[in-house]
Amino acid sequence: KNEVEQSPQNLTAQEGEFITINCSYSVGISALHWLQQHPGGGIVSLFMLSSGKKKHGRLIATINIQEKHSSLHITASHPRDSAVYICAAGGTSYGKLTFGQGTILTVHP
Amino acid sequence: DTEVTQTPKHLVMGMTNKKSLKCEQHMGHRAMYWYKQKAKKPPELMFVYSYEKLSINESVPSRFSPECPNSSLLNLHLHALQPEDSALYLCASSQEGRGTNQPQHFGDGTRLSIL
Repeated sequence: KNEVEQSPQNLTAQEGEFITINCSYSVGISALHWLQQHPGGGIVSLFMLSSGKKKHGRLIATINIQEKHSSLHITASHPRDSAVYICAAGGTSYGKLTFGQGTILTVHP
Repeated sequence: DTEVTQTPKHLVMGMTNKKSLKCEQHMGHRAMYWYKQKAKKPPELMFVYSYEKLSINESVPSRFSPECPNSSLLNLHLHALQPEDSALYLCASSQEGRGTNQPQHFGDGTRLSIL
């Protein structure tokens, strides 16, 4: 069992739908990171959170430390949201992140 | 445009060649990272530099040799690579290297192909 598990692995949605990607982790963390990677491209850091909830535009990230679970929500999804979304658990060792396997999101117009 | 610049964007090399990947950031970050990413897989950490000192080496083969000449620059020297080393190599930086309570800023990567 991986230390960071994401679900679903693949997600297809129609434009405008509300999307949720889940992340469960079994390691102790100092922060949970959500990252976005477009095909063939670099990675963008979306959120870093250690408690509660953060919002940026149409994206919302939540974390429940007791349950070791985080979710990434996208409201009013758009085809440009199509990408791989990766959650990563940050421990205490010099910036080392433990990555989930990623969720491939495809949003159709 | 990313704030972490990687060059070259693409590199094709033979198994006997020596080449270098370069990464640069001017955000004043003191931690820099090299990752290797195979297709459809998450990144794998290779090295971490914190305050220009090597902090983490994830048991990377010696044919990969990192170098941090100053706080803005990170190089990855490549020598006698194998075809399985073909991958996307990502550089990242963060404000501090101790602990993981800062976001990491990634470059666009160098896509490396070994013939």
